[in-house]
Amino acid sequence: GAGVSQSPSNKVTEKGKDVELRCDPISGHTALYWYRQSLGQGLEFLIYFQGNSAPDKSGLPSDRFSAERTGGSVSTLTIQRTQQEDSAVYLCASSLARVSYNEQFFGPGTRLTVL
Amino acid sequence: DQQVKQNSPSLSVQEGRISILNCDYTNSMFDYFLWYKKYPAEGPTFLISISSIKDKNEDGRFTVFLNKSAKHLSLHIVPSQPGDSAVYFCAAGKYSGAGSYQLTFGKGTKLSVIP
Repeated sequence: GAGVSQSPSNKVTEKGKDVELRCDPISGHTALYWYRQSLGQGLEFLIYFQGNSAPDKSGLPSDRFSAERTGGSVSTLTIQRTQQEDSAVYLCASSLARVSYNEQFFGPGTRLTVL
Repeated sequence: DQQVKQNSPSLSVQEGRISILNCDYTNSMFDYFLWYKKYPAEGPTFLISISSIKDKNEDGRFTVFLNKSAKHLSLHIVPSQPGDSAVYFCAAGKYSGAGSYQLTFGKGTKLSVIP
């Protein structure tokens, strides 16, 4: 498909376990973003990758959260020792960073539930 | 502190009438603004944007108005259609340094267009 894909679509885990969420951006998009949306909240920025530059990690809520982007394409977001407050929809977006309005194309999200 | 606020969590409008969704922001460093539309179980999709150097941008049934002095923007949908029923997110963007162009989202307004 031509859009951003994310897997899994749903993930239920137990408190304390680690989880990995995957994002496949649109081919050719150099910028990749991770957001999360907790219940009743807006989208919260987590991390941004742009080409080979060092990622902007300013939105990561704690050191339990990390992300990598291999080969400038696929990205994984890892949450270690999950807590119940980590339950949210995690959204990935990609964009052609050079466009002036930086339109971001979103994937369908991964709904994470921590029991 | 919320930098982008959508004070109406929901809005109901009769089909054929105008829908007006409002958004307020606090950070004068934002230099462009976007509206995204989100259906259940899908990621947000870009709808329309406006640069801070403009006060209006129109695309078909959708018009975004920006009042910089009031730090306020609005999305007008005319005429409203049942298919417009979705959650609408306002987003504001600024360059945050180190090659990162970040968006800050509001909490969203759920629009219901009644046939």
